[in-house]
Amino acid sequence: EADIYQTPRYLVIGTGKKITLECSQTMGHDKMYWYQQDPGMELHLIHYSYGVNSTEKGDLSSESTVSRIRTEHFPLTLESARPSHTSQYLCASSAQGARGNTEAFFGQGTRLTVV
Amino acid sequence: AQSVTQPDIHITVSEGASLELRCNYSYGATPYLFWYVQSPGQGLQLLLKYFSGDTLVQGIKGFEAEFKRSQSSFNLRKPSVHWSDAAEYFCAVGPLSGSARQLTFGSGTQLTVLP
Repeated sequence: EADIYQTPRYLVIGTGKKITLECSQTMGHDKMYWYQQDPGMELHLIHYSYGVNSTEKGDLSSESTVSRIRTEHFPLTLESARPSHTSQYLCASSAQGARGNTEAFFGQGTRLTVV
Repeated sequence: AQSVTQPDIHITVSEGASLELRCNYSYGATPYLFWYVQSPGQGLQLLLKYFSGDTLVQGIKGFEAEFKRSQSSFNLRKPSVHWSDAAEYFCAVGPLSGSARQLTFGSGTQLTVLP
């Protein structure tokens, strides 16, 4: 079992509210990622991090922001939630292997609904 | 740019039948290939991975996949499907070098298992 945790699992929130999705891993991985996934659709990378104080935007533009103050923690924040933000958000982490990247380990996801 | 194609959006098989899920990739260098499985409302679980060596790789839950460089394919197989295998399956490709943007996912194949 991978040791990466996301909270909350489900969140229903009103338009305009500020939300933070939590992601923590206990594997000591340097690299962490946030993916957005609509039901039955592919995953889109929205943020990633090489390590502490390093964050980059992914391939899919997102109004969310992330921070990486500690290795194990990679929260995602929406300052003002909108219905278009309704989606599933998946957090993942990976180590840097001797021959390159290792596989990514995923959390169970947060299903966000903005009403 | 790297890309992954899963030509079958939805596959239905009977329990006990064999299964093959197709995956084709486009990548300029030696790829790092993965298959993940996702149950409804859950994160992704790694089934198997390939980055070098024997082109036939064994994974968890009785799955295997074969890397064919000439066909740019990495098809997933299982000789006898169980009802619990019903899920969404994602193929992914990533580079061996140290970029944080390590994984590109296919759009997924939804597997239905008939009793």
